[in-house]
Amino acid sequence: GAGVSQTPSNKVTEKGKYVELRCDPISGHTALYWYRQSLGQGPEFLIYFQGTGAADDSGLPNDRFFAVRPEGSVSTLKIQRTERGDSAVYLCASSQRLVPIYNEQFFGPGTRLTVL
Amino acid sequence: GNSVTQMEGPVTLSEEAFLTINCTYTATGYPSLFWYVQYPGEGLQLLLKATKADDKGSNKGFEATYRKETTSFHLEKGSVQVSDSAVYFCALSAGGNEKLTFGTGTRLTIIP
Repeated sequence: GAGVSQTPSNKVTEKGKYVELRCDPISGHTALYWYRQSLGQGPEFLIYFQGTGAADDSGLPNDRFFAVRPEGSVSTLKIQRTERGDSAVYLCASSQRLVPIYNEQFFGPGTRLTVL
Repeated sequence: GNSVTQMEGPVTLSEEAFLTINCTYTATGYPSLFWYVQYPGEGLQLLLKATKADDKGSNKGFEATYRKETTSFHLEKGSVQVSDSAVYFCALSAGGNEKLTFGTGTRLTIIP
């Protein structure tokens, strides 16, 4: 079946603009994660959804960042008033969340965001 | 908080050489440990995992053993191939919601 997909694959925007990044998880996966990967670094956790609700948003860097998952499937990461420091690859992952067994997270290809 | 420290790269080896990439961690409780791999032009993939002390994860000839006493999870392979060229990330999850904490990654290049 299809894996995790993310759109767009590349986004170039100007400082101060608003952007939306979309993630389509694997069908049936209830857990969805957003990570941010800066150049030369490992991915850093941003937010985790279980179903429609954000179960952990402790990784969001500030209130310019917001994410939603209104129907428990597709998720959108929203960034207001973008800054050059927001430039990174934004990764989405999903998993089945079959507690208590660890559930493998399947990653999408990422959206490369460049803020000029 | 939780953290992962892994061997900095880049690492360049000849084909059939022995590989070790070091990884140590700091975490509360009993984390699960992982190695992820990112091949050129592809997304992150889980390579192997271990969920409790002394477990050995293995896949595609790679192995790593969860060592609680040394808080380590070193990745090894006895004979690397050109197709193993990729970036390798050590990671952990702890606390119940499975969010991953990653190391900075090690770029491995294998030359024929």
